[in-house]
Amino acid sequence: EVQLVESGGGLVQPWGSLRLSCEASGFTFSSYNWNWVRQAPGKGLEWVSYISVGSRTIDYADSVKGRFTISRDNAKNSVFLQMNSLRDEDTAVYFCAREVTYTRAFDIWGQGTMVTVSS
Amino acid sequence: DIQITQSPPSVSASVGDSVTITCRASQLISSWLAWYQRKPGKAPKLLIYAASSLQSGVPSRFSGSGSGTDFTLTITNLQSEDFATYYCQQSNSFPITFGQGTRLEIK
Repeated sequence: EVQLVESGGGLVQPWGSLRLSCEASGFTFSSYNWNWVRQAPGKGLEWVSYISVGSRTIDYADSVKGRFTISRDNAKNSVFLQMNSLRDEDTAVYFCAREVTYTRAFDIWGQGTMVTVSS
Repeated sequence: DIQITQSPPSVSASVGDSVTITCRASQLISSWLAWYQRKPGKAPKLLIYAASSLQSGVPSRFSGSGSGTDFTLTITNLQSEDFATYYCQQSNSFPITFGQGTRLEIK
């Protein structure tokens, strides 16, 4: 069964850090590009970050550039999002999403993990 | 950055109706546009990729069209499970951007 399981969300104070994990199973993790997408309460979907198959290409939304770092570990079938210097506006549900290279669409999504930044 | 303008923000319809949602990109994006369905408490679901290709397992009442800057998602013969929020997404260039969403409500 194809599955993505996210973890690492929670309540953190402003300027704090969290590391989100997304573990995949049921397919060849290393063959896909990966993205993180978030949705703040009452808002729409916002793309956060991307990492390519061989980690050669990495990109970030301007809103998180310099604060968030995406990485992957093919041996652990996992993609990560290290989030530092968190702000109130980073409060959201964070999803990992698999991207098929030739379609550039996100065909499989995790269930989401909630990140709340509050003092 | 490529801006995506999605309309309408919300639409009311009845079971059996058809609805059309549009997205307009601020620059040419070829056919690098996808459509997603989002329901509360559930992960987004890919419906359409490459503007008009139906994702495996998605009912044929969903269809997409367009290229360049103007795109549409059409849902015919609405079913109760179709009432949700729909988003378009461009992946022509970074940063990847989503439309603002269209909430499809039961009339």
